[in-house]
Amino acid sequence: EPEVTQTPSHQVTQMGQEVILRCVPISNHLYFYWYRQILGQKVEFLVSFYNNEISEKSEIFDDQFSVERPDGSNFTLKIRSTKLEDSAMYFCASSFDYEQYFGPGTRLTVT
Amino acid sequence: EDKVVQSPLSLVVHEGDTVTLNCSYEVTNFRSLLWYKQEKKAPTFLFMLTSSGIEKKSGRLSSILDKKEPFSILNITATQTGDSAIYLCAVVGNTGKLIFGQGTTLQVKP
Repeated sequence: EPEVTQTPSHQVTQMGQEVILRCVPISNHLYFYWYRQILGQKVEFLVSFYNNEISEKSEIFDDQFSVERPDGSNFTLKIRSTKLEDSAMYFCASSFDYEQYFGPGTRLTVT
Repeated sequence: EDKVVQSPLSLVVHEGDTVTLNCSYEVTNFRSLLWYKQEKKAPTFLFMLTSSGIEKKSGRLSSILDKKEPFSILNITATQTGDSAIYLCAVVGNTGKLIFGQGTTLQVKP
């Protein structure tokens, strides 16, 4: 069964460093999303992407964040200068319609 | 502001019990409601509900939507220890993004 994959599973970085989180969505899906979940809190929407552009972004998704679909299969989230409060589980999701399927997540720890 | 509220926040039952999890929401331009099960990591998809009154069923799990109230329930019959997880309710609004509730943590004891 097709699934969303994400790499790495865990990333530890120092404050101020750049990180790139990678996702491979399900191949025939058209819509791509990033969500994050801070430990013990709700899953929160970050950004949605369709037709090679951002369709919506949340207040969390400030200028430090960017997304890209560089080659038609990967979907990346870049955080330019990480802060301690960026520590969270980051989930990629993809969908063909409203059913969104999630990847296993990348745990980002900023020290 | 769009909002999804789940209850109870946590629940402890014994194997064989039946549980009902609740999800109410206030969302402009509702499109559909989704239930997910979250064990160690990623939410795994359970159901999508779009129309009122039509029950979706998969094995011991079932769910129904009432768009008038509005709320949804997720029922699990004959619970097993493997059902222990966080159950997430999420609503699709106007733009396709998911708005999540805080989740219900279910613990099933042997």
